[in-house]
Amino acid sequence: DAGVIQSPRHEVTEMGQEVTLRCKPISGHNSLFWYRQTMMRGLELLIYFNNNVPIDDSGMPEDRFSAKMPNASFSTLKIQPSEPRDSAVYFCASSPGTSGRSTDTQYFGPGTRLTVL
Amino acid sequence: GQNIDQPTEMTATEGAIVQINCTYQTSGFNGLFWYQQHAGEAPTFLSYNVLDGLEEKGRFSSFLSRSKGYSYLLLKELQMKDSASYLCAVRDWGRALTFGSGTRLQVQP
Repeated sequence: DAGVIQSPRHEVTEMGQEVTLRCKPISGHNSLFWYRQTMMRGLELLIYFNNNVPIDDSGMPEDRFSAKMPNASFSTLKIQPSEPRDSAVYFCASSPGTSGRSTDTQYFGPGTRLTVL
Repeated sequence: GQNIDQPTEMTATEGAIVQINCTYQTSGFNGLFWYQQHAGEAPTFLSYNVLDGLEEKGRFSSFLSRSKGYSYLLLKELQMKDSASYLCAVRDWGRALTFGSGTRLQVQP
């Protein structure tokens, strides 16, 4: 079975440009998460969706960041305009989304390494 | 909110046993996860604890004490390929995970 798919794997852009990161979750998973990882701040949750609906976006740094999930098999994270401090690895993860005291393990995609010059 | 602490780095010898500790303070608790992350790769799931006690999976075991806000990951018969970062993560009553900064383990011959 295919895991979480992310594209692009690497992105180099110039300050001020728009960046769009893409994610395809594991088929059948109901929850999708966007994380950002840097040396300074570690792995931080940006936003998560359940059944395509944004549940918690309190981790989104500022208005320059936006995320959408138009259907169960696709999500985007957009940064407009991008800044050098946005340079990081962005991970998408998905989980089955079962409730209660279940494992509901999150499975991570390979990540997108973003460099903003 | 959540606060998670784990050591930054550890070194151990091939074939030995190593214990990586994690302490947490949380406003809500619905499980503790351990992930392994090799350099330049994505985190991969290792173990999950929601009740007190020890969960064993092959060479890896994880322990949880909810009253003490404490967990550890035990790695036995260390192999060179175990050199990686180990991330402790706590889930609150939603589905979100809060990750610790990770412990970078170096296994030496």
